Amino acid sequence: NAGVTQTPKFRILKIGQSMTLQCTQDMNHNYMYWYRQDPGMGLKLIYYSVGAGITDKGEVPNGYNVSRSTTEDFPLRLELAAPSQTSVYFCASSYSIGRPHGAKAELFFGSGTQLSVL
Amino acid sequence: GENVEQHPSTLSVQEGDSAVIKCTYSDSASNYFPWYKQELGKGPQLIIDIRSNVGEKKDQRIAVTLNKTAKHFSLHITETQPEDSAVYFCAARDDKIIFGKGTRLHILP
Repeated sequence: NAGVTQTPKFRILKIGQSMTLQCTQDMNHNYMYWYRQDPGMGLKLIYYSVGAGITDKGEVPNGYNVSRSTTEDFPLRLELAAPSQTSVYFCASSYSIGRPHGAKAELFFGSGTQLSVL
Repeated sequence: GENVEQHPSTLSVQEGDSAVIKCTYSDSASNYFPWYKQELGKGPQLIIDIRSNVGEKKDQRIAVTLNKTAKHFSLHITETQPEDSAVYFCAARDDKIIFGKGTRLHILP
């Protein structure tokens, strides 16, 4: 059981370049999330999705886009990368609270993508 | 939207002593409150969680208390050990899961 898989693990971008961070989960979770974590700081929610075809903004959505065409995949797109987007990005997934019955609402995290924009 | 405040940002305790980390939340719709531990270079890992219909939960040396009226919850670690040194995050959940800024816990020998 792979859990939440993120690729790539490391990436260096030049200012203005674009890229997609990939995230896939094999636990049939309906909820998926993207967080960023700046050095020494907490986790800030970028975007989240409560199911295929549904996405919503989190705390810091500017400069990012997401899509959720399948239950398994939740890619994060950076357009026109800026130095302020240098961070570690974590994808996560979970069940909704109480569904299926008795399921834990625990958030499962991927191993992270370290992104530098120079 | 939900706002989660976490204190202290850094905490040092002698090995064997207890550590307490406190969080407050703003959205009364939040109904699930997990605590995560993050070690260097790794993603956060759940250590304990509590739902809004429960006031206290314990798992060996770790306990969490929740006061829904005051909108605050706390993590208690007893008999601290060197491997407890890490960054701890509280979070509050409705659909979104919003994290506190974290507490760096140092266990002193």
